[in-house]
Amino acid sequence: EAGVTQFPSHSVIEKGQTVTLRCDPISGHDNLYWYRRVMGKEIKFLLHFVKESKQDESGMPNNRFLAERTGGTYSTLKVQPAELEDSGVYFCASSRTGKDTQYFGPGTRLTVL
Amino acid sequence: QQQVKQSPQSLIVQKGGISIINCAYENTAFDYFPWYQQFPGKGPALLIAIRPDVSEKKEGRFTISFNKSAKQFSLHIMDSQPGDSATYFCAARVGNFNKFYFGSGTKLNVKP
Repeated sequence: EAGVTQFPSHSVIEKGQTVTLRCDPISGHDNLYWYRRVMGKEIKFLLHFVKESKQDESGMPNNRFLAERTGGTYSTLKVQPAELEDSGVYFCASSRTGKDTQYFGPGTRLTVL
Repeated sequence: QQQVKQSPQSLIVQKGGISIINCAYENTAFDYFPWYQQFPGKGPALLIAIRPDVSEKKEGRFTISFNKSAKQFSLHIMDSQPGDSATYFCAARVGNFNKFYFGSGTKLNVKP
C-alpha cells in the first residue's frame, strides 16, 4: 500500500505570501494529523482530523493557519499570510481507527524569507 | 512547555557499540510511548513502542527500557551499525488516536 504523500517537498516564499500544503493519507485511514518541526526542536502537533471533522486543533499557532479535509480524504494546510516564524518542516501523519501507529509522510520544508 | 524531554541532542558511537537515548516526561496520563526513526529526506517511521505496564520491550537490536516511577524511558541500540545513523524521536500519547508529544530528537552517527 502507498504511504503518506505530501506536496510540495519544498516551498520557498516571501513573507506575506500564501502557501498551501497538501497531504494524501494512506487509503482507509480515517485519522489525519498535521505536525511541524521548527529548527531542530521537537515535532509539535498542529491538528487532528477524524474523517472530515476537526477532532483537535489545539496546536494551531494562530488564525493564519487553515486546515481542511473535504470529503475525508486528502487534507490541505494553508498559511496566509506567511511569517518568518512559520518556517519549518510540516509533517502529515495518518492512522487507522483502532490502531496506535501513526504513519508519517516525508514532510514539506517551508522557508519564509 | 515541552512535555517530553530527550537527551542527548547528538550521539556518536563506534560500530558495534551500544547507543542509548533517554527521555523523561511529567504527565502520568501518558499511556503509549513510541520511538520513531527518521532518515534524511524521509518522514519519521515507527521503530518500537511500549506501554507503561511493561518495563522492557525488545525487538531485535532495539530495546526500550521503561521506568514508570522515575517517569523515564530509554532506547538502547545494541551492536550499532552505520545504517542506524538517523535521527531518533521519543514520543508519548494520552489515550487512543490522540496527538503525540515528541522529544526534540537525537541525531545518531555510527562510525564504521
